Amino acid sequence: DAGVIQSPRHEVTEMGQEVTLRCKPISGHNSLFWYRQTMMRGLELLIYFNNNVPIDDSGMPEDRFSAKMPNASFSTLKIQPSEPRDSAVYFCASSLGPWRASSYNEQFFGPGTRLTVL
Amino acid sequence: QKEVEQDPGPLSVPEGAIVSLNCTYSNSAFQYFMWYRQYSRKGPELLMYTYSSGNKEDGRFTAQVDKSSKYISLFIRDSQPSDSATYLCAAQGVIQGAQKLVFGQGTRLTINP
Repeated sequence: DAGVIQSPRHEVTEMGQEVTLRCKPISGHNSLFWYRQTMMRGLELLIYFNNNVPIDDSGMPEDRFSAKMPNASFSTLKIQPSEPRDSAVYFCASSLGPWRASSYNEQFFGPGTRLTVL
Repeated sequence: QKEVEQDPGPLSVPEGAIVSLNCTYSNSAFQYFMWYRQYSRKGPELLMYTYSSGNKEDGRFTAQVDKSSKYISLFIRDSQPSDSATYLCAAQGVIQGAQKLVFGQGTRLTINP
């Protein structure tokens, strides 16, 4: 299995531009998660999907951020317009079962997309 | 106050030493506690998880949770240079009806040969 695949691995853009990050979860996994990691704030859960449905987007920082999962094998995280404070590493993760905090399902992380907004 | 607090380090120890990594958390509703290892420029990978209080051992790694003091620990015995990484603790639970998963800041660990 190839694991969770993210693209691009690196993205450099200018403030105000639209940025789209992509994720392919592990085949057969039912949950997908988007995280952001910065030195200041650590790893933060932005949004998660169960069976392609967004369940909780309370971690999304602003309306400039949106995420979609049109099918079980693809998800996008879009930032429009981007700002320098969005610079971070964005991780996608997937897990086998629908995620619930009252039970445990191991999450498998992708390699991340390092975003720099100038 | 952050829901999960972790000293970011850095922590540097000689090879073979016992390493102790610690986190505290604020909400007693957290039920699952995880430790992840993250190598430079890679995604986190799960090391161990525990449910509620108690110890769990896997080879050279031992995870401990003390719910009475809201304290999470990871011990590494006979540390190796390959253990050099950032270690993230995490806590998970249902809090006021909301599903919560919160990570600590991460502790950067270096094992010196």
